[in-house]
Amino acid sequence: SYVLTQPPSVSVAPGQTARIACGGSNIENTGVHWYQQKPGQAPLLVLYADSDRPSGIPERFSGSNSGNTATLTITAVEAGDEADFYCQVWHSGSDHWVFGGGTKLTVL
Amino acid sequence: QVQLVESGGGVVQPGRSLRLSCAASTFYFKYDAMHWVRQAPGKGLEWVAFISFDGTKKYYSDSMKGRLTVSRDNFGTTLYLEIANLTSEDTAVYYCARQSSTNYYMDVWGTGTTVIVSS
Repeated sequence: SYVLTQPPSVSVAPGQTARIACGGSNIENTGVHWYQQKPGQAPLLVLYADSDRPSGIPERFSGSNSGNTATLTITAVEAGDEADFYCQVWHSGSDHWVFGGGTKLTVL
Repeated sequence: QVQLVESGGGVVQPGRSLRLSCAASTFYFKYDAMHWVRQAPGKGLEWVAFISFDGTKKYYSDSMKGRLTVSRDNFGTTLYLEIANLTSEDTAVYYCARQSSTNYYMDVWGTGTTVIVSS
């Protein structure tokens, strides 16, 4: 089965840039999608197809995907960005959808 | 924008079965492929099941395969998930989510229904 690996936690000061990695074998060959989940809430799509933003998601959220690592980047981090972030791909070989283990973003 | 509302959760004894429902707010539900995703307490998201818009394609997570049945009632705009032989490891919040029409991601999520498996 396909595995996505994320760091358990990332911490940044307000106004700084947060980068959350998502590792997977040859992940660059598939689209990566990112979700933000705040405590007690359902997940919210923040990026799809590596770097596209749904309507309403600030430009501060961006993404990239190369080699074995996809990255979610949040610039000018705000206190309200504090949440768990999950990457997700569709694994065509098994017709399974796969989530990373999640990264807790802490704004110091 | 479609809204999704799950129901059917609660406290269930180990070994029993449970059917969860997900009601969509729009008629266009019948054109949407759908997913079930769960989240155990303090844990991450886990994909559970997928059903195509017409119900002809169904995929299940390996960890739960054999105990799951996903179905839909397009006339009633409702999605279902039946889980058999429940164990404590099935204790989780279960979300239904709509798959994007253009790619393999989930663009609309319900608020979730909580299942607690306990004697």
